[in-house]
Amino acid sequence: ETGVTQTPRHLVMGMTNKKSLKCEQHLGHNAMYWYKQSAKKPLELMFVYNFKEQTENNSVPSRFSPECPNSSHLFLHLHTLQPEDSALYLCASSQGGAVEKLFFGSGTQLSVL
Amino acid sequence: EDKVVQSPLSLVVHEGDTVTLNCSYEVTNFRSLLWYKQEKKAPTFLFMLTSSGIEKKSGRLSSILDKKELFSILNITATQTGDSAIYLCAVEETSGSRLTFGEGTQLTVNP
Repeated sequence: ETGVTQTPRHLVMGMTNKKSLKCEQHLGHNAMYWYKQSAKKPLELMFVYNFKEQTENNSVPSRFSPECPNSSHLFLHLHTLQPEDSALYLCASSQGGAVEKLFFGSGTQLSVL
Repeated sequence: EDKVVQSPLSLVVHEGDTVTLNCSYEVTNFRSLLWYKQEKKAPTFLFMLTSSGIEKKSGRLSSILDKKELFSILNITATQTGDSAIYLCAVEETSGSRLTFGEGTQLTVNP
């Protein structure tokens, strides 16, 4: 256990559905991240939150909408996704935005039909 | 654009073999290079390297950085089946909270 919990572990959704991914960290960190890992592609940073404020949006389409109500929780709201959005979505946290030691969750494996 | 290239992309060995994984990078403002092990889903931290020529070791794993030639290697000696995983290399810039990852090396250790 890394101290970062993601739910659900697997998600299958149609292109017209709306769903949300949840991430919770129990490490007392103040920075949280969403990464996308597609098959045979490098991990891609999507969003960064420091002290609940979004500090980075890596040109992510608006069909992905993050929410960070507090330093321990991070959500990724999904709507009208495309099949190419199928991937493993990983949440991570760190202390003070120090990426040198990210703690990752086990991810949500998303399939868009 | 920052770039991290890992090789090989996949590797199959027998238990007891020694393996060397490679990571080369092009980054504008280098701060550190990190190695992660991804078993099942969650990547876990292995090493952070900031200086050339200083070997970091943890059990059978070791890693070294060459900032002149812009690469790092990760060595695993006496491999075990539990070493089977994807090994990810990432480079951190000085400018912000960003890691650029390589594609990873899928290592399979057969008994």
